[in-house]
Amino acid sequence: EPEVTQTPSHQVTQMGQEVILRCVPISNHLYFYWYRQILGQKVEFLVSFYNNEISEKSEIFDDQFSVERPDGSNFTLKIRSTKLEDSAMYFCASKRWGRDNEKLFFGSGTQLSVL
Amino acid sequence: DAKTTQPPSMDCAEGRAANLPCNHSTISGNEYVYWYRQIHSQGPQYIIHGLKNNETNEMASLIITEDRKSSTLILPHATLRDTAVYYCIVSLRDDKIIFGKGTRLHILP
Repeated sequence: EPEVTQTPSHQVTQMGQEVILRCVPISNHLYFYWYRQILGQKVEFLVSFYNNEISEKSEIFDDQFSVERPDGSNFTLKIRSTKLEDSAMYFCASKRWGRDNEKLFFGSGTQLSVL
Repeated sequence: DAKTTQPPSMDCAEGRAANLPCNHSTISGNEYVYWYRQIHSQGPQYIIHGLKNNETNEMASLIITEDRKSSTLILPHATLRDTAVYYCIVSLRDDKIIFGKGTRLHILP
């Protein structure tokens, strides 16, 4: 089965530093998402992305966050100035198209630790 | 803000059918019922979804009541690898998936 690939699997950074989390969605998918999960808590929606723009974002996705699809295959999440509370597992997901019952495929996640 | 209610945890003996209930009494006519699971800290994995009719695939069966106010996910022959958190989610077909707390299913040897 096709997979969503995320790199790196673990990222350690200092508070205040910028970090970029990378994802390669499944090749014929058009809808892309970022979710995060703080240890012991729910999986939380961050942002959805379609046609090279943000479709929807949650309250968590403030000005410190941005997403980009720089080259037609990668989908990145940037955190401009990391905070301790950004420490979490970040999941990328993709879906073939929106107006159908296509399932959401998730990557295995990037564990971000902010020190 | 969850649209679904699930028991926080359940046990099931290995080899038996695991029946996971979900209440969604406020579901609207065009909302689907989706089930995902998360094994340990891996990414969530799609299991099955349905609108009105019962559905079956290679992983599970989904039974939706006639009034659509509740559903049951059935894992017909549970194995230790089915130990996971199972999420019942109600959503429009082209909307984002919002996760609740789910049911932590323990498969007992």
